[in-house]
Amino acid sequence: DAGITQSPRHKVTETGTPVTLRCHQTENHRYMYWYRQDPGHGLRLIHYSYGVKDTDKGEVSDGYSVSRSKTEDFLLTLESATSSQTSVYFCAISGSTNEQFFGPGTRLTVL
Amino acid sequence: GNSVTQMEGPVTLSEEAFLTINCTYTATGYPSLFWYVQYPGEGLQLLLKATKADDKGSNKGFEATYRKETTSFHLEKGSVQVSDSAVYFCALAREGATNKLIFGTGTLLAVQP
Repeated sequence: DAGITQSPRHKVTETGTPVTLRCHQTENHRYMYWYRQDPGHGLRLIHYSYGVKDTDKGEVSDGYSVSRSKTEDFLLTLESATSSQTSVYFCAISGSTNEQFFGPGTRLTVL
Repeated sequence: GNSVTQMEGPVTLSEEAFLTINCTYTATGYPSLFWYVQYPGEGLQLLLKATKADDKGSNKGFEATYRKETTSFHLEKGSVQVSDSAVYFCALAREGATNKLIFGTGTLLAVQP
């Protein structure tokens, strides 16, 4: 299995609070991604990174920001969480092939 | 634009039944195609892939053939087991697109003993 972890695995927070999710990889892969998974929508790309300090928006980026200061870490921040951001968040990594490897997910509940 | 369409679930089968989950795509150029599987409470795992027309991906008894003429990548298995119960996602990666994937909405498979 690809070495990819996410933290926390579960979080409950209140509307308006900031939240940061962490993705950590030990594979030295260039590309990292954040997705959200919601019923009826499959997985939707939030942001992705193609190198240290190189990031770009996905299809559902509003309300989210990311940072990648090291190859191994990719952080997703909700500056002011809203109930519509209640979801399961997955991090993925990809290297020289176009296969992606997924982390175990973070279940976020915004009350 | 690029998109993936999967058959709606849930699909409910008895053990040892034949499985087909339909997947069609819209894309420019020559995308790579994937099937991912998600078991309850887990992340997605790559099940199989195909990178060019007429390629057949296979793994764990599952197969899918890249059909460019029908823009399809249907997943099949000859005899399902209870342990195959999961959500299956079809996905495509465009050429030269930073390996970004576009997913279908997923199909829940429930296999009964």
